[in-house]
Amino acid sequence: QKEVEQNSGPLSVPEGAIASLNCTYSDRGSQSFFWYRQYSGKSPELIMSIYSNGDKEDGRFTAQLNKASQYVSLLIRDSQPSDSATYLCAVTQDQTGANNLFFGTGTRLTVIP
Amino acid sequence: KAGVTQTPRYLIKTRGQQVTLSCSPISGHRSVSWYQQTPGQGLQFLFEYFSETQRNKGNFPGRFSGRQFSNSRSEMNVSTLELGDSALYLCASSPGDGGLGQYFGPGTRLTVT
Repeated sequence: QKEVEQNSGPLSVPEGAIASLNCTYSDRGSQSFFWYRQYSGKSPELIMSIYSNGDKEDGRFTAQLNKASQYVSLLIRDSQPSDSATYLCAVTQDQTGANNLFFGTGTRLTVIP
Repeated sequence: KAGVTQTPRYLIKTRGQQVTLSCSPISGHRSVSWYQQTPGQGLQFLFEYFSETQRNKGNFPGRFSGRQFSNSRSEMNVSTLELGDSALYLCASSPGDGGLGQYFGPGTRLTVT
């Protein structure tokens, strides 16, 4: 059973602060890792992907992957009220290239103005 | 490029009926995956179609089925609806490889009464 675990939160940070979101996964064979943002009443939106150990930066977002610890995180710098949403961690393990994402339950982030 | 589209957006059905949901992927995307999202279970993978073939299947009963057409459009069907099938059904498209991430449509909100 592939499991992806996230702290459900809610996580509250003041505007301008760094928000840190964490995710662990159980399947050591997991290949690709994604962060999705989901606003209330909307569908998930892909914001970051990471495939190898280390950091990947995109604007205010940084994804970090540590395969040895089976841990992936998302840092949001200079958090804005518009970042308030549920953040979903997703992993795919299949080496055939098939698209079957396993999602965590999400962390609800609130950025306080 | 236009995003993933899903029709209908909302649907109300009676227990025992069947329903067909439709998804048009992003132009050029050959993979279409379907997910069910509920407050209790979160996002769960139903199945994926690639080049008109089911490439992967999640742990759902046989009442859930799908197909993909030569233009990559996909449909999913749920027969003999149960109250527990009430959920947001999300379609996601990808260029093909599981490592490239998936892009979600707005979803179809199904309510079974």
